[in-house]
Amino acid sequence: EPEVTQTPSHQVTQMGQEVILRCVPISNHLYFYWYRQILGQKVEFLVSFYNNEISEKSEIFDDQFSVERPDGSNFTLKIRSTKLEDSAMYFCASRETRDTQYFGPGTRLTVL
Amino acid sequence: LAKTTQPISMDSYEGQEVNITCSHNNIATNDYITWYQQFPSQGPRFIIQGYKTKVTNEVASLFIPADRKSSTLSLPRVSLSDTAVYYCLVGVRMDSSYKLIFGSGTRLLVRP
Repeated sequence: EPEVTQTPSHQVTQMGQEVILRCVPISNHLYFYWYRQILGQKVEFLVSFYNNEISEKSEIFDDQFSVERPDGSNFTLKIRSTKLEDSAMYFCASRETRDTQYFGPGTRLTVL
Repeated sequence: LAKTTQPISMDSYEGQEVNITCSHNNIATNDYITWYQQFPSQGPRFIIQGYKTKVTNEVASLFIPADRKSSTLSLPRVSLSDTAVYYCLVGVRMDSSYKLIFGSGTRLLVRP
């Protein structure tokens, strides 16, 4: 069964450093998403991406965040200058034309 | 303020039916309601999705009243492995913006 994959599974970085989280969505999917989950809290929407551009973003997704689909398979989330409060699980999701989003296993980001 | 609320926790015993309700007052007109299951340190796993009335699949049923301001996930005959956090996900339209919002999550504990 096809699935969304994410790398790395765990990323440790120093405050102020840039990180790039990578996702490989399911191959025939057209819509891509990033979510964040701070430890012990609910999943929060960050951004949705369709047709090579951002379609929606939340208030969390400020100027330090960016997304890109650099090739036909990868979908990335970049955080330019990480802060302590960026520590969280980051989930990628994708869907085709129906509304069901399928989630990846997540990347745990730890900012020291 | 768009809110998607769920009971914080529920307890059940093996073999019982469990019903978890999500309130979503500002659901967008054309959006589906989707329910996910999440185990610790894993991504949300799709359970069921519906638009109105009742949907049933091999693992759950979803009941949606006519006004669509709430939905109820029904898990028949739960087992110990159903212990997890359950989230509803809806699209909410507020003013001119559209947001994907997860419910606050319901922690289900299934006891032997």
